[in-house]
Amino acid sequence: LAKTTQPISMDSYEGQEVNITCSHNNIATNDYITWYQQFPSQGPRFIIQGYKTKVTNEVASLFIPADRKSSTLSLPRVSLSDTAVYYCLVGGGSGGYQKVTFGTGTKLQVIP
Amino acid sequence: GAVVSQHPSRVICKSGTSVKIECRSLDFQATTMFWYRQFPKKSLMLMATSNEGSKATYEQGVEKDKFLINHASLTLSTLTVTSAHPEDSSFYICSANPQAGEYEQYFGPGTRLTVT
Repeated sequence: LAKTTQPISMDSYEGQEVNITCSHNNIATNDYITWYQQFPSQGPRFIIQGYKTKVTNEVASLFIPADRKSSTLSLPRVSLSDTAVYYCLVGGGSGGYQKVTFGTGTKLQVIP
Repeated sequence: GAVVSQHPSRVICKSGTSVKIECRSLDFQATTMFWYRQFPKKSLMLMATSNEGSKATYEQGVEKDKFLINHASLTLSTLTVTSAHPEDSSFYICSANPQAGEYEQYFGPGTRLTVT
C-alpha cells in the first residue's frame, strides 16, 4: 500500500480557498487517489476521488500532476463547518475489495 | 450514496466483559467490510478485513481471539471485543465497498467503546 504524507495541520480564514497537498511517491499504476473528511467522533466521509489530471465535484477539486506522485485537494471558500481532519488515501483500482491505510491526515482549522 | 450503519453508537462496559458491535450496509450488499480503531487525536488503524462466509483477515498485531469478527450475511458484520480492558477503550469504525473494483469506501458513524 502506498504511503502518503500530508501536513499535520493548516489554518485558514473563512471564505478563503484552501489547498491541501498529499505526497505519494510510490503510487502504483492502478492506484486511485481518494480524499476523506472526518469530524470528531464521526466516521470518515468521502469527498472526492481521481486518477489523473483534475476532478471537480460540488464540494471540492482534486488536482493530480502527470507523474501522480502528489495530489492537491482544493476547497473553495471554506466555512467554519469545514473544520475537520482531511485524509488522503492511495490504493485500489486493481479489482477486488481493497483495504486502505490511513496516514496522519491534515487537521484544518477555519478561523472566523 | 451507500449507507453504512453501526450499533451501538456508544457503549460503556465493565472490565472483563464482552461487547458486540454491529456494522450493516443498509442499501447494498458487501462481501467485504473493514474494521478500524481510532484513538483520540490519532488516525484510523485498520484492524481486520471481514469476509462474508469465511474467516476474517487480521492486521499484524491485532489479536484475533480478542477481536472476534463474524460476517454472517452480505449486509452484516460484527466485531466482538472479548474480555475488554480499559486499554480497549477506543472509537471503532467499520467500512464497506459497494462493489468489487470500486475504491470508494463508505464508513459507518463509529462506535465509542469505554471500558471501566
